[in-house]
Amino acid sequence: AQSVTQLDSHVSVSEGTPVLLRCNYSSSYSPSLFWYVQHPNKGLQLLLKYTSAATLVKGINGFEAEFKKSETSFHLTKPSAHMSDAAEYFCVVSDNYGQNFVFGPGTRLSVLP
Amino acid sequence: GAGVSQSPSNKVTEKGKDVELRCDPISGHTALYWYRQSLGQGLEFLIYFQGNSAPDKSGLPSDRFSAERTGGSVSTLTIQRTQQEDSAVYLCASSFQVAAAYNEQFFGPGTRLTVL
Repeated sequence: AQSVTQLDSHVSVSEGTPVLLRCNYSSSYSPSLFWYVQHPNKGLQLLLKYTSAATLVKGINGFEAEFKKSETSFHLTKPSAHMSDAAEYFCVVSDNYGQNFVFGPGTRLSVLP
Repeated sequence: GAGVSQSPSNKVTEKGKDVELRCDPISGHTALYWYRQSLGQGLEFLIYFQGNSAPDKSGLPSDRFSAERTGGSVSTLTIQRTQQEDSAVYLCASSFQVAAAYNEQFFGPGTRLTVL
């Protein structure tokens, strides 16, 4: 069985400061891991994915995430927040066959001017 | 088309009526997923189709929910005798193939269902 925990339901940062959105997963096998972003009244968009290649994954809009097997974590970071980053972020784990995607509950990111 | 499309974008119905929601996946994508997202909540998995295989229905919340996928492409999610708790955004996603490097999901814009 797989599960995803997003430790913070809401994160608030000031524009220009670093962003850290935490994600821990549980999986019985080598997982694929994803971060999706959902802007208000917009569809879900893939930010980045990890599929057992490089452990540091770079995504769109300056985001990156590091897969740490020993910590079962896949935290999302960005060096400098922009107002346009305000959105809901979902961490997702799947098996390597794409048959079972499990979404975390989401973290709402607010960016203050 | 260029992306996953869903129709209608909005549906308002009365309690007890049946509704049909449609999803057109990206051409060539073999896997198709339905999710439900209630207000302020994460995504709840409903059902998964892979090619012509029997679907994984493990996430359907009740027997009022059913889905089919014709010809391995378009899918319809049907909710019978709708209840107010069925109000949510229903999201459809598709993916290219069942393999680690390609199994990211592409999401449609969703159908917002409101049951009065």
